[in-house]
Amino acid sequence: AQSVTQPDIHITVSEGASLELRCNYSYGATPYLFWYVQSPGQGLQLLLKYFSGDTLVQGIKGFEAEFKRSQSSFNLRKPSVHWSDAAEYFCAVGASNAGGTSYGKLTFGQGTILTVHP
Amino acid sequence: ETGVTQTPRHLVMGMTNKKSLKCEQHLGHNAMYWYKQSAKKPLELMFVYSLEERVENNSVPSRFSPECPNSSHLFLHLHTLQPEDSALYLCASSQDGGGGAPLFFGPGTRLTVL
Repeated sequence: AQSVTQPDIHITVSEGASLELRCNYSYGATPYLFWYVQSPGQGLQLLLKYFSGDTLVQGIKGFEAEFKRSQSSFNLRKPSVHWSDAAEYFCAVGASNAGGTSYGKLTFGQGTILTVHP
Repeated sequence: ETGVTQTPRHLVMGMTNKKSLKCEQHLGHNAMYWYKQSAKKPLELMFVYSLEERVENNSVPSRFSPECPNSSHLFLHLHTLQPEDSALYLCASSQDGGGGAPLFFGPGTRLTVL
């Protein structure tokens, strides 16, 4: 079974500073990897996804993530944080489905809360 | 309406009540999901429907009963809940894509059980 670890429960950065949120996964095959963001009182919004190919993926809102197979990591980065980036961020891994089923099934990390100071 | 909508957004119920959560997706997807989000815990997958058939039931207590009448609508029927069932219930949908299908989430229903 797959699993996801986000080591940092809470991160605080100053506006304009760079950001890196860590994500480590456990999965036997090539994983499908995702980052989602959740603002207070809202559902989760997809930031970016990795399926295969280029290990550096670009997402919305200026975010990017790098897949490193040797480290089983998929860290999220942003060069300059804006106050509106304050939210909770979730890393997720998708499982391959046995029996040819067509649906996706994601396992989520516990989330990292990002606070941005002015 | 666009994306995934959920009603109600907030629900307070007693342990003996019966209520239902509703989810509707306007994305033309063929799979729908219920997730439970509790404080300080990872999101928990509860149910998956693919092509209107339930394909996953993650050991969820029978006091939660899902229903998927068509590919656009998903319900979660609640009865005799416990206070520990208080949480944010998120609905999501995806298009046929195997394990790589990204999920699109609704805003959630904040449930409080008294």
